[in-house]
Amino acid sequence: GAGVSQTPSNKVTEKGKYVELRCDPISGHTALYWYRQSLGQGPEFLIYFQGTGAADDSGLPNDRFFAVRPEGSVSTLKIQRTERGDSAVYLCASSLGGTSGGTDTQYFGPGTRLTVL
Amino acid sequence: QKEVEQNSGPLSVPEGAIASLNCTYSDRVSQSFFWYRQYSGKSPELIMSIYSNGDKEDGRFTAQLNKASQYVSLLIRDSQPSDSATYLCAVAGGTSYGKLTFGQGTILTVHP
Repeated sequence: GAGVSQTPSNKVTEKGKYVELRCDPISGHTALYWYRQSLGQGPEFLIYFQGTGAADDSGLPNDRFFAVRPEGSVSTLKIQRTERGDSAVYLCASSLGGTSGGTDTQYFGPGTRLTVL
Repeated sequence: QKEVEQNSGPLSVPEGAIASLNCTYSDRVSQSFFWYRQYSGKSPELIMSIYSNGDKEDGRFTAQLNKASQYVSLLIRDSQPSDSATYLCAVAGGTSYGKLTFGQGTILTVHP
């Protein structure tokens, strides 16, 4: 079946602009996660949705970052007033969800490479 | 102290050798442990998960978990050039619930 998809694959924007990154999870997966990966580092957690609600948004770096998942499927990560330091690969993952203790396997999408000039 | 630390690389092994990758974690109540492989420019791909103390084998891969020592490792037997990638250790559960906390990754190169 289809895996996690993300659009766009690449996004170049100018400092101060607004961007939206989209994630389409695996069908039937109720949990969705956003991570950010800088060069030479492991992915860094941003936010986790269980269904439509954000179960944990402790990784969002500041109030310029916001994410939604209005129908419990597709999610959009929104970044306002972009800064050069926001440049990274933004990864989305999904899992079946509904388990305790975080034993779900997370499947990653191909990522969106964001470059802020 | 980082929450998840991996042995510093890069690690270079000859084809056919055993590659050993190590990881320690700080959250004692973590419950789930994963090894992801990431090729350059690609997204992480799950290769092993382990939840209980001991060894878990899958083909050429063996994951080892020791919760008392807060240590997890990955052994790759009969290493192949196609195994050359960055290996990411990830931990979940406990106080971090569903989110994965990753180490910085170890670059493995298998040379012919």
